[in-house]
Amino acid sequence: AQKITQTQPGMFVQEKEAVTLDCTYDTSDPSYGLFWYKQPSSGEMIFLIYQGSYDQQNATEGRYSLNFQKARKSANLVISASQLGDSAMYFCAMRVSGNNRLAFGKGNQVVVIP
Amino acid sequence: DAGVIQSPRHEVTEMGQEVTLRCKPISGHDYLFWYRQTMMRGLELLIYFNNNVPIDDSGMPEDRFSAKMPNASFSTLKIQPSEPRDSAVYFCASRSLASGSFTGELFFGEGSRLTVL
Repeated sequence: AQKITQTQPGMFVQEKEAVTLDCTYDTSDPSYGLFWYKQPSSGEMIFLIYQGSYDQQNATEGRYSLNFQKARKSANLVISASQLGDSAMYFCAMRVSGNNRLAFGKGNQVVVIP
Repeated sequence: DAGVIQSPRHEVTEMGQEVTLRCKPISGHDYLFWYRQTMMRGLELLIYFNNNVPIDDSGMPEDRFSAKMPNASFSTLKIQPSEPRDSAVYFCASRSLASGSFTGELFFGEGSRLTVL
């Protein structure tokens, strides 16, 4: 079964600083995809970034980058130059090949302070 | 293009009443998913459809819950009778098969917040 672990407590981050959100996963399938979503207080789920298990390079999307360490089964999200609008819950998720279920972790709460 | 559209956004009902949540997926998407989000359990997959056919309903909590997809542009999630423990945010999401077997993000609706008194 797929398992996603996000165990960090809520985080306070100074505006313009970088923040790293931890995510570890567990699967025996060699083919899988890892996703990060943002959920602001308004409640919608916003897709941020994707990393495939066969991708040779870490994914980047603007201020978001994914620190993918396959051997350690970790896929940490890095947000650079934090902005007040980055305050939200962040969810790590995984889908394995041949299984359409996207399994989510419990989320990390981030609060950006001016 | 319009995103995934859910209605109602908020629903307050009394225990024992029937609740129907509605979803319109993104046009052309082959897969439709219903998730439930609570503080205790996080985001749980309830059921998903492929080309209007239910594929996996193992996450549906009990017989009080049912979901249908009569056509490619409409799905419902029904709870009958509702109970206070059903209070949660229910999300509908869709994606395209063309995006790959394990690639391709889910596109979420804004969610339906259900409160059962």
